[in-house]
Amino acid sequence: GAVVSQHPSRVICKSGTSVKIECRSLDFQATTMFWYRQFPKQSLMLMATSNEGSKATYEQGVEKDKFLINHASLTLSTLTVTSAHPEDSSFYICSARDRREQYFGPGTRLTVT
Amino acid sequence: DAKTTQPPSMDCAEGRAANLPCNHSTISGNEYVYWYRQIHSQGPQYIIHGLKNNETNEMASLIITEDRKSSTLILPHATLRDTAVYYCIVNPAGSARQLTFGSGTQLTVLP
Repeated sequence: GAVVSQHPSRVICKSGTSVKIECRSLDFQATTMFWYRQFPKQSLMLMATSNEGSKATYEQGVEKDKFLINHASLTLSTLTVTSAHPEDSSFYICSARDRREQYFGPGTRLTVT
Repeated sequence: DAKTTQPPSMDCAEGRAANLPCNHSTISGNEYVYWYRQIHSQGPQYIIHGLKNNETNEMASLIITEDRKSSTLILPHATLRDTAVYYCIVNPAGSARQLTFGSGTQLTVLP
């Protein structure tokens, strides 16, 4: 099956710094990529949808200036958490869609101290 | 609006079949039923999907009622590694729409 990778798998950063998370579709070209966030004991919540070469569409309540998404190619999307705060600590999961299905990455555990 | 209803938790004895129910009474004619699972601290893993016929693969079987208002995911011989949260999702196949996750069922396989 199709493989989606994320890097890093876990990151610890200090409050006020920025963190970049990469999402790559390894063996297919993704027409659309999605970013989800998951807090402990909760389900996945969609943050934003991005299409290659165009601006991301953010879900209600997600600050676009705080969570910067760049979808530079059909195989790479990045999420940058700017000026991170402890409340941004969460499990971030990317997903990539080809023409048929949606595939998920392994997730990135972000801890902001 | 996840459009599906699942029990919050279930237990199953190791080696026995695990039957996970899902209600999707408002499913549309072009929507498939997808099942994913999420093992702790990992990304969701695709299990199976179907439209109206029963489906089987190496991981599980999917039984969809004739009226398509509910379905059951069957893990025929549950192992401890099957302990996970199982999500039932309805979505048109090939749609650009993202998968929307409900709260899922926490399946615990007991030794």
